[in-house]
Amino acid sequence: DVQMTQSLSYLAASPGESVSISCKASKSISNYLAWYQQKPGEAYKLLIYSGSTLQSGTPSRFSGSGSGTDFTLTIRSLEPEDFGLYYCQQYYEKPLTFGSGTKLEIK
Amino acid sequence: QVNLLQSGAALVKPGASVKLSCKASGYTFTDYYIHWVKQSHGKSLEWIGYINPNSGYTNYNEKFKSKATLTVDKSTNTAYMELSRLTSEDSATYYCTLGAMMVIGYWGQGVMVTVSS
Repeated sequence: DVQMTQSLSYLAASPGESVSISCKASKSISNYLAWYQQKPGEAYKLLIYSGSTLQSGTPSRFSGSGSGTDFTLTIRSLEPEDFGLYYCQQYYEKPLTFGSGTKLEIK
Repeated sequence: QVNLLQSGAALVKPGASVKLSCKASGYTFTDYYIHWVKQSHGKSLEWIGYINPNSGYTNYNEKFKSKATLTVDKSTNTAYMELSRLTSEDSATYYCTLGAMMVIGYWGQGVMVTVSS
């Protein structure tokens, strides 16, 4: 199985700052990577797929980059509603696998 | 507007089975795959498998092949996942999700399954 590693389990930042969340795959997955957001009491939300394509409705302050094994989710100018949990997931091969998540909290 | 309405929380005894439901609305049921995902308390997400509602074709994570059975009822736009021979390791939140092939686009609210005597 492809192991997905999110090295930072926790990240604190202030509104207005920019942050980057990294995700590393144990083998090359091309750009078959998605990013999800979860906020307390809400359903998971797809933010980005194909490594860098914004899902409809995802604010433009979100961006995704990377291919192969190393990927990054960047959020420019954090808004209060951006705080929550972020997961990466590969869909290059089955079984689909997820990173362990990064919790983004308000500093 | 896509909606995946999952059945309520379940408390089940060890060794028993449970069948979870997921009623889909807001889109053509047969156009997208239904994936199921497990999240154990405080842990990350595990993909269980998916079903193609149009053909009934299923694909399982090897880890869950003897644990989960995915089915659909096209007449009611409802997907089901039956979990068998439950143990404490099966206590978790289970998500019904909607996928365009392998990209999971929408998630249900999740249903908590607790296995306890």
